[in-house]
Amino acid sequence: GEDVEQSLFLSVREGDSSVINCTYTDSSSTYLYWYKQEPGAGLQLLTYIFSNMDMKQDQRLTVLLNKKDKHLSLRIADTQTGDSAIYFCAESLNTNAGKSTFGDGTTLTVKP
Amino acid sequence: DAGVIQSPRHEVTEMGQEVTLRCKPISGHNSLFWYRQTMMRGLELLIYFNNNVPIDDSGMPEDRFSAKMPNASFSTLKIQPSEPRDSAVYFCASRTDRGEQYFGPGTRLTVT
Repeated sequence: GEDVEQSLFLSVREGDSSVINCTYTDSSSTYLYWYKQEPGAGLQLLTYIFSNMDMKQDQRLTVLLNKKDKHLSLRIADTQTGDSAIYFCAESLNTNAGKSTFGDGTTLTVKP
Repeated sequence: DAGVIQSPRHEVTEMGQEVTLRCKPISGHNSLFWYRQTMMRGLELLIYFNNNVPIDDSGMPEDRFSAKMPNASFSTLKIQPSEPRDSAVYFCASRTDRGEQYFGPGTRLTVT
């Protein structure tokens, strides 16, 4: 079945860039997503990328997709303390009927 | 739109009692998901519906758990009887046609 893996922790200094990595196993994945979860809240969709794209940029967020290596990354430029949260990578095979498979989440800690 | 609405936000109950969690998805979203999140097991998909029909309930832990979606704007997750190991945060999410999931704020369940 599908599997999505992420490293569990990342710590950066305020103002630096953060790069959160994710690998997935199913090459049929159609959409790949990044979600953010702040303490005491549900997951919030940050951005997504179609499998036929290599890169997507949205303000401070840059998503890179390497289909050959089944590797997805999320880069946060000029990381702020408010970016401290858990970041989940997820993939979906079929958006009309299928479920998404989520990674275990990467806890990002931003130090002042 | 108010987003996905869940109630109650917090539930404390004694072992053996019945617990009912409620969810109102975003209007127009055709798919609804129930998740459970704990420190030990992370985010687990319990069941999801497409057009009010249960599609995959393989994540439901055991027969004590049941879920219904009587119409497009309401779903329930019931645990009967509840046990201490059911303590977790339960999330409901609804999904767009592009596969983007919108999560509710969650119900924090404590079974003593």
